[in-house]
Amino acid sequence: GQNIDQPTEMTATEGAIVQINCTYQTSGFNGLFWYQQHAGEAPTFLSYNVLDGLEEKGRFSSFLSRSKGYSYLLLKELQMKDSASYLCAVIDSNYQLIWGAGTKLIIKP
Amino acid sequence: GAVVSQHPSWVICKSGTSVKIECRSLDFQATTMFWYRQFPKQSLMLMATSNEGSKATYEQGVEKDKFLINHASLTLSTLTVTSAHPEDSSFYICSASSGNTHYEQYFGPGTRLTVT
Repeated sequence: GQNIDQPTEMTATEGAIVQINCTYQTSGFNGLFWYQQHAGEAPTFLSYNVLDGLEEKGRFSSFLSRSKGYSYLLLKELQMKDSASYLCAVIDSNYQLIWGAGTKLIIKP
Repeated sequence: GAVVSQHPSWVICKSGTSVKIECRSLDFQATTMFWYRQFPKQSLMLMATSNEGSKATYEQGVEKDKFLINHASLTLSTLTVTSAHPEDSSFYICSASSGNTHYEQYFGPGTRLTVT
């Protein structure tokens, strides 16, 4: 079966750095997305990786290792508004988007 | 760019009635639209995928006769919850893809349905 694993919940301090991991086992791979979802709102796009390596976009960076079936989202200089759920999603060989359950990130002052 | 709207943003209906939710891509043509349901503190659950002009493909366990999906144009898809029951109360989110950009899905703001 297809599976995406993320930690359920993480806690970090304002101003710090946090890394949210995602591992996947899917039938094929055509890219990996990270989305941010605030409570009661729809997800918003953060990043897309299809090649190995690190993609940096402001305070957020996303890393992919296809051979390891592994990605992480790195958030720097954490702000209170970063408190949200972070969803990892993989496009499989049928171009279906497979969603992880999401990681709830709690930022403390 | 890539804005998706949903209407209504929230709705309360009585058990046994039907509710229609609209999803529109405002500034692009959505070849594919997706309907998700999300219960509190749970992840997104894909209900169905629809391509313009063809029948929707429903995920296992989703009743196609209860959740009617119509994708009549490249900018509009509708989800009708028929004979709604309290257990259908949920956050319904649509997303749209033009198929041009990494199959990225652009999400609508969601519709919160409460069935009393």
